[in-house]
Amino acid sequence: GENVEQHPSTLSVQEGDSAVIKCTYSDSASNYFPWYKQELGKRPQLIIDIRSNVGEKKDQRIAVTLNKTAKHFSLHITETQPEDSAVYFCAASEGSARQLTFGSGTQLTVLP
Amino acid sequence: NAGVTQTPKFRILKIGQSMTLQCTQDMNHNYMYWYRQDPGMGLKLIYYSVGAGITDKGEVPNGYNVSRSTTEDFPLRLELAAPSQTSVYFCASSYPTSGGRSYNEQFFGPGTRLTVL
Repeated sequence: GENVEQHPSTLSVQEGDSAVIKCTYSDSASNYFPWYKQELGKRPQLIIDIRSNVGEKKDQRIAVTLNKTAKHFSLHITETQPEDSAVYFCAASEGSARQLTFGSGTQLTVLP
Repeated sequence: NAGVTQTPKFRILKIGQSMTLQCTQDMNHNYMYWYRQDPGMGLKLIYYSVGAGITDKGEVPNGYNVSRSTTEDFPLRLELAAPSQTSVYFCASSYPTSGGRSYNEQFFGPGTRLTVL
């Protein structure tokens, strides 16, 4: 089955700086890669996603890049703000039910 | 729309007890999923369903059972609870499309925090 590895596990940045979180996946059949944000005690919420036929996608301050050959994808957050502080999860989707395999998460802390 | 709802929010079980975690969605989604999230970890798929009457095992199905008799409901049954099942359980649903923004955006419920003592 699919295996997703996520790095780093914790990341602290100064407000206004950029943050980058990286993930690798193992199954070349995976074709959908979402990123979820989870605040403390809350449910995960989708912030951006990318299909395998696209190399990069951007939504305001958030962007995701995908390298299918190397089987890795990354989340980029620019101009970070304190409200960006949360745990971020990457995931890869495979199978007939498009089930997700999640990475272990990155605790992002934006220091004011 | 209420989205995905889960009951109960919290529960403490004794070892060997059984319980059912309820999950309901009102978005007419045909795909539904159960995940568990251990402290400081990612989500692991327990079971999933692509429609009423169809269920399949995920990565960590042992100790759990599911049923899907309607589109809206996807209950998760724990038999003979063990301390290793202490976790937060999330139900999710989706309506996969062939393209567009939400290829398979999964919408999560608020979670059930279960402790087995």
